[in-house]
Amino acid sequence: SYVLTQPPSVSVAPGQTARITCGGNNIGNKSVHWYQQKPGQAPVLVVYDDNDRPSGIPERFSGSNSGNTATLTISRVEDGDEADYYCQVWDSSTVFGTGTKVTVL
Amino acid sequence: QVQLVQSGAEVKKPGASVKVSCKASGYTFTNYGITWVRQAPGEGLEWMGWISGYNSNTNYAQKFQVRVTMTTDTSATTAYMEVRSLRFDDTAVYYCARGIGAPDGFDIWGQGTKVSVSS
Repeated sequence: SYVLTQPPSVSVAPGQTARITCGGNNIGNKSVHWYQQKPGQAPVLVVYDDNDRPSGIPERFSGSNSGNTATLTISRVEDGDEADYYCQVWDSSTVFGTGTKVTVL
Repeated sequence: QVQLVQSGAEVKKPGASVKVSCKASGYTFTNYGITWVRQAPGEGLEWMGWISGYNSNTNYAQKFQVRVTMTTDTSATTAYMEVRSLRFDDTAVYYCARGIGAPDGFDIWGQGTKVSVSS
């Protein structure tokens, strides 16, 4: 089965840029979606189809996807961005990444 | 507004069954499918399966093919997910989410339903 690997944690200072990677075999050939989940809340879609944002999601959230790695970039990080982030693709079934906890220092 | 509202928390004994509902509103139910995802305490997201709101076609994750059944009631714009033969490790928050279908993502999520399996 297809595996998506994310770093367990990323730490970033307010105002700086956070980059969260999602590794998978030839993931560049797939559409990647990203979700933000805060404690006790349901996930929220923040990026879909590699680099599109749903309405209401700040432009600070962007994505890229090439080769074996997709990346979610959060620019000008704010305290409210502290959350778990999951990537997701379709490969005969829906697959979620292992999740990354973003800590704002 | 577009929303999915799930049924309330459940406490079940091992071997029992649980049926979680997901009421959709604010959009045309038959234009989308519903996916079910669960999250065990302290763990990540686990995809369970998907059901079409148009024709009730289903696609289950292999792990859940035997114990899980997903259904819809189009007239009630509600999706259901039943898990049978519950085990302790089925303790989790169960989410429904809206999606058009593979390979698209899931843009609207329910609030989650906590299912606890305890003797």
